[in-house]
Amino acid sequence: DGGITQSPKYLFRKEGQNVTLSCEQNLNHDAMYWYRQDPGQGLRLIYYSQIVNDFQKGDIAEGYSVSREKKESFPLTVTSAQKNPTAFYLCASSISGQSNSPLHFGNGTRLTVT
Amino acid sequence: AQSVTQLDSQVPVFEEAPVELRCNYSSSVSVYLFWYVQYPNQGLQLLLKYLSGSTLVKGINGFEAEFNKSQTSFHLRKPSVHISDTAEYFCAVSPLYREKLTFGTGTRLTIIP
Repeated sequence: DGGITQSPKYLFRKEGQNVTLSCEQNLNHDAMYWYRQDPGQGLRLIYYSQIVNDFQKGDIAEGYSVSREKKESFPLTVTSAQKNPTAFYLCASSISGQSNSPLHFGNGTRLTVT
Repeated sequence: AQSVTQLDSQVPVFEEAPVELRCNYSSSVSVYLFWYVQYPNQGLQLLLKYLSGSTLVKGINGFEAEFNKSQTSFHLRKPSVHISDTAEYFCAVSPLYREKLTFGTGTRLTIIP
């Protein structure tokens, strides 16, 4: 079955440490996205990529970095510069990145930083 | 820029009763509209989408939504809910010619047995 795999499901880190969240898709989708979800705030876009080796900042990119070296993979690094990193992180993909393409989501990674 | 408002953060409904989850949007250009559902500790799944054509859109799990351009609304409805419909529902809007999806803050639907 095609889909998006996010790992791990739960992640715990100490403050000051960088951490990388994995996202892999086998849907052959061109576009991939990272969202952050906090209670009562909906989803906010961190970064997105419409093609390999290219990505753009979303609304809340500060303290995060990404790479897109392969079509299937779009890892997100939460750096120590992110002031409030504890959140639920969702990776998504779409066929083309055009505005009428629905998103397909992974099951998320819940990051807790103490 | 566009925005999405889901006025009801929580909606409790008795099992087998009808439900309407409200979504209003604002945008200076024409938009595509989406409803997504999120079950506990999972990602989001597409329920339905309005791209063009008939303003009444049918989706999965018996849900439907009606696009009302004059009222800038895209309310989600189901005539009879089940316990399995307990989830959080997100409305989202994207302008036609620019890839920029904006989500509402979500409505948590709780089904009362």
